Amino acid sequence: KAGVTQTPRYLIKTRGQQVTLSCSPISGHRSVSWYQQTPGQGLQFLFEYFSETQRNKGNFPGRFSGRQFSNSRSEMNVSTLELGDSALYLCASSLDSGGALDTQYFGPGTRLTVL
Amino acid sequence: AQKVTQAQTEISVVEKEDVTLDCVYETRDTTYYLFWYKQPPSGELVFLIRRNSFDEQNEISGRYSWNFQKSTSSFNFTITASQVVDSAVYFCALSKYGNKLVFGAGTILRVKS
Repeated sequence: KAGVTQTPRYLIKTRGQQVTLSCSPISGHRSVSWYQQTPGQGLQFLFEYFSETQRNKGNFPGRFSGRQFSNSRSEMNVSTLELGDSALYLCASSLDSGGALDTQYFGPGTRLTVL
Repeated sequence: AQKVTQAQTEISVVEKEDVTLDCVYETRDTTYYLFWYKQPPSGELVFLIRRNSFDEQNEISGRYSWNFQKSTSSFNFTITASQVVDSAVYFCALSKYGNKLVFGAGTILRVKS
């Protein structure tokens, strides 16, 4: 079974621009979560989508948004980019069968550099 | 609020040494889940283990073992006979529902040949 895929792998943008990152979950997985990883703040939860609805949200400004499509693929968008948005953005998917626990499996990430 | 502390920023060992990575967590929830992930230089987080709060049984998987102690809120990870391929950043994480992980700062493990 193919793992979580993320595109693009690397991205360079300038301040003020916007960016869209894409994530394809493992086949059959219905939940997709996004995380930001920076040297200063570490790994931080951005949001989670399930059945095309945002189910959980972290403490990030409204410039960070996302969506999920009917095939469970997800995109996240960052508008009005700031230098501090430079980070590795990781996507994770889980089965979410309704049980007590689902393990999240991560993709390789998208490395965003804001100049 | 949930919090995970990995006090060891970086550990260096020589191949074949045993090494233990510490993880201390804080939560007010009675039901929660603990995880360990490995992040090699490629960047992808690789799932290693999960444990729920009701299962304090220690687990061994090959050279890896985990010690979960609710009394001290710790979930430590030991690698026996370390190898160069074990070099990576290791993250401990905590979750109430499993889909919103709170990560520790990570421990960089360097295994030298």
